[in-house]
Amino acid sequence: DIQMTQSPSTLSASVGDRVTITCRASQSISNWLAWYQQKPGKAPKLLIYKASNLESGVPSRFSGSGSGTEFTLTISSLQPDDFATYYCQQYNSYPFTFGPGTKVDIK
Amino acid sequence: EVQLVESGGGLVQPGGSLRLSCAASGFTVSSNYMSWVRQAPGKGLEWVSVIYSGGSTYYADSVKGRFTISRDNSKNTLYLQMNSLRAEDTAVYYCARDEISSGYWGYWGQGTLVTVSS
Repeated sequence: DIQMTQSPSTLSASVGDRVTITCRASQSISNWLAWYQQKPGKAPKLLIYKASNLESGVPSRFSGSGSGTEFTLTISSLQPDDFATYYCQQYNSYPFTFGPGTKVDIK
Repeated sequence: EVQLVESGGGLVQPGGSLRLSCAASGFTVSSNYMSWVRQAPGKGLEWVSVIYSGGSTYYADSVKGRFTISRDNSKNTLYLQMNSLRAEDTAVYYCARDEISSGYWGYWGQGTLVTVSS
């Protein structure tokens, strides 16, 4: 199975900050990577697919990059609605696996 | 508008069974890859199972042999039959629609909580 890791596990930031979350895969997954945002009690929301493609309706302050084993999610200017937990997910091969999550909270 | 509504969760004893349903609207379940993803309380996300439009199915090792994914085309509904339930199966279970049959999920239900406890 492909193991996914994320860093940091928690990130404290202020509104307006630039935020970067890193996701690493235990083997190459090409660019078969998605990013999700999840708020408490809610289902995950797709932000990015194929490593760098912005899902329709997602604000352009979100961006993704990377390929192979290392990926990043960047929020260019953190907004109040962005405080949430973020997960990466590989869909290169079954079983599809998620990173453990990065919680972005208020500094 | 695409909607997914799960039901069927609840409290069940270890070793028991439960069937989850996911009623879809706004699209045809049988024309899409459909998955179940779960989340234990306070924990991360875990993919559970997928059914392809052609009917092929795949499972996480943690549920293989105990869970069965299926669909009823006439009801446009996805199911997850869960047998031999264990405490570690306690989670919110989400159904989700694969986007262009690729392996990521753009539409999710609201989730249904399964609690396995005596």
